[in-house]
This record gives sequence, structure tokens and C-alpha cells, in this order.
Amino acid sequence: AQRVTQPEKLLSVFKGAPVELKCNYSYSGSPELFWYVQYSRQRLQLLLRHISRESIKGFTADLNKGETSFHLKKPFAQEEDSAMYYCALGNSGNTPLVFGKGTRLSVIA
Amino acid sequence: GAVVSQHPSWVICKSGTSVKIECRSLDFQATTMFWYRQFPKQSLMLMATSNEGSKATYEQGVEKDKFLINHASLTLSTLTVTSAHPEDSSFYICSARDDTGSGANVLTFGAGSRLTVL
Repeated sequence: AQRVTQPEKLLSVFKGAPVELKCNYSYSGSPELFWYVQYSRQRLQLLLRHISRESIKGFTADLNKGETSFHLKKPFAQEEDSAMYYCALGNSGNTPLVFGKGTRLSVIA
Repeated sequence: GAVVSQHPSWVICKSGTSVKIECRSLDFQATTMFWYRQFPKQSLMLMATSNEGSKATYEQGVEKDKFLINHASLTLSTLTVTSAHPEDSSFYICSARDDTGSGANVLTFGAGSRLTVL
């Protein structure tokens, strides 16, 4: 069964501090991992996906199949990063994504 | 980029009435759309997968007679909450996957519809 675990409900960091939002997954096949972000009063939007290997808004995430993790990182947090972050797991085809419970990031000035 | 429109964004209804929520992909075709429910400060719970031209696939525990889904065209899926009760009050979010496949498994989300049943 597919499962996504985000162990932290809330993460508070000071502006300029490094951020790491943890995500672990459980899936027997070849996974596709995503990070979605929801800013206050806005819709969910894609932040990044592992196959793109890109950095968006300073965030990066590396898929570690050995540890079944896809942690989201940013070296220097900014106030505008405060949002709800969801890790999601998918596979090929039209199957739905499975979301973690989300982590609320609060960046303190 | 891909845009998904949801309507209405907020609806209040009396207990026992039915409410229809529309989800439209504005600039792409979507054979498959997904309906999620989000409780306050909680994650998204997948309710059903909406398939154009065929029956929706419901997740375990979701009553298909309660939450009717119709995906009549490649750009429109509707969710009807029938005989709504206060416990159905929630935030309903739809998402769609671009059929062209250029977005891989990427979902585009609507802004959500907040339902309040009195």
C-alpha cells in the first residue's frame, strides 16, 4: 500500500535559518514524489517533483530510495516561505496521488 | 499554465438540500479528475476519482449515493452532495491531470469550495 508520512505537523524556524521538512514514503513500485505548497488563502500548487531535479524558490528535494525519503530543504528560510507543505506520492498512469498530512512551516522574523 | 476553476467557492445550504460543485479545466483536457475533502487544519482526503465517460471510482468509506460525481466532458466534473447534513460541511477540492502527459503526474488544483450546511 502507498503511504506518505510527514512526521512534523508544525515546524517553526527563524528567518535565515536552514529548513528541512521531512517526508518518508512506503511504496513497493517505482515512486514519483512531489512537494505541494499551500500559502495562506491560496490553492494548492506544485512546488517541485523529484524527476525534475530542480530548485524552486530555493527549495530542493532529493529522492533517497534507500531511506524511502524525499525531504524538502532550503538553506535560508524567508518569511514568505510560511505555508502548509504537503508531500505526495504517485506512480504512472491515472492513479491518484497520496498525500501526507502536511507540515505547517512558520518562519519567524 | 494549467488552470482549474471551481465553482462555487463558498456555499451555505440548509440541511436536506443538495449542492452541486463544478470543477473545470480551463485550458487543457482532463480525462481524469480527483475530488478531495479537507477538514480544518488537516490533510487532503481523496474521495473519488472522476473518469470522463465512465463511473467514478470511490475510496473506501465514501458513499457514492451521497456524493454523486459526473464527468460528462473532458473539461468538466461535478460533485453533488445530496441531502446534505451538517457533518458534510467541509472544504472540497478538485484537481485535474493534463491529458497531454507533458505534466507527467502533476495535478492542478482548484481553489476549493467551502460547504457549510446549517
